[in-house]
Amino acid sequence: DAGVTQSPTHLIKTRGQQVTLRCSPKSGHDTVSWYQQALGQGPQFIFQYYEEEERQRGNFPDRFSGHQFPNYSSELNVNALLLGDSALYLCASSFESSSYNEQFFGPGTRLTVL
Amino acid sequence: AQRVTQPEKLLSVFKGAPVELKCNYSYSGSPELFWYVQYSRQRLQLLLRHISRESIKGFTADLNKGETSFHLKKPFAQEEDSAMYYCALGKLWGSTLGRLYFGRGTQLTVWP
Repeated sequence: DAGVTQSPTHLIKTRGQQVTLRCSPKSGHDTVSWYQQALGQGPQFIFQYYEEEERQRGNFPDRFSGHQFPNYSSELNVNALLLGDSALYLCASSFESSSYNEQFFGPGTRLTVL
Repeated sequence: AQRVTQPEKLLSVFKGAPVELKCNYSYSGSPELFWYVQYSRQRLQLLLRHISRESIKGFTADLNKGETSFHLKKPFAQEEDSAMYYCALGKLWGSTLGRLYFGRGTQLTVWP
């Protein structure tokens, strides 16, 4: 099991463009959470998906949207990119019914907005 | 409001010395607290959680609800402990773990 995988590894966009980041959860996991990690900061929660629906959302504008597919993989979309969106975007997966409930993180996608 | 504070951005100790990474939190409910570690060029991974009350790689952390702290300790630091450490607070969604609130992290360097 490769664990949580994310693509692409790096991405460079210009202001105003749109971007889509992808995440495949660890085998057997059904819940996906997305975090934004700015340089020198801890990860900040964007939203969480379960059963193809967003069920929790952090303090991020509507420009940030997501999707979960029937195979539990997920996408994060960001519209109208701003310079401040430059960050490492982390995906974490977990298994809803697990009593332990650990979130496993992917390696991240580094987004640079010019 | 939920908040996690890690007062030290950088911490350096010599090999064999004790180490303590501080974490304070604010949360109105019953907290689920975690320590995550990120070694160089590796992904973020769970080190330990308070509910397990276990020692991982010689590290322990005790939840002190009176002081709202969850400090990470190790009596004898090793060079391989050098990494970025994040304290995180988990908010439950029903009976399962929902979002995590992270501190800004402490970069630990253990000198030989």
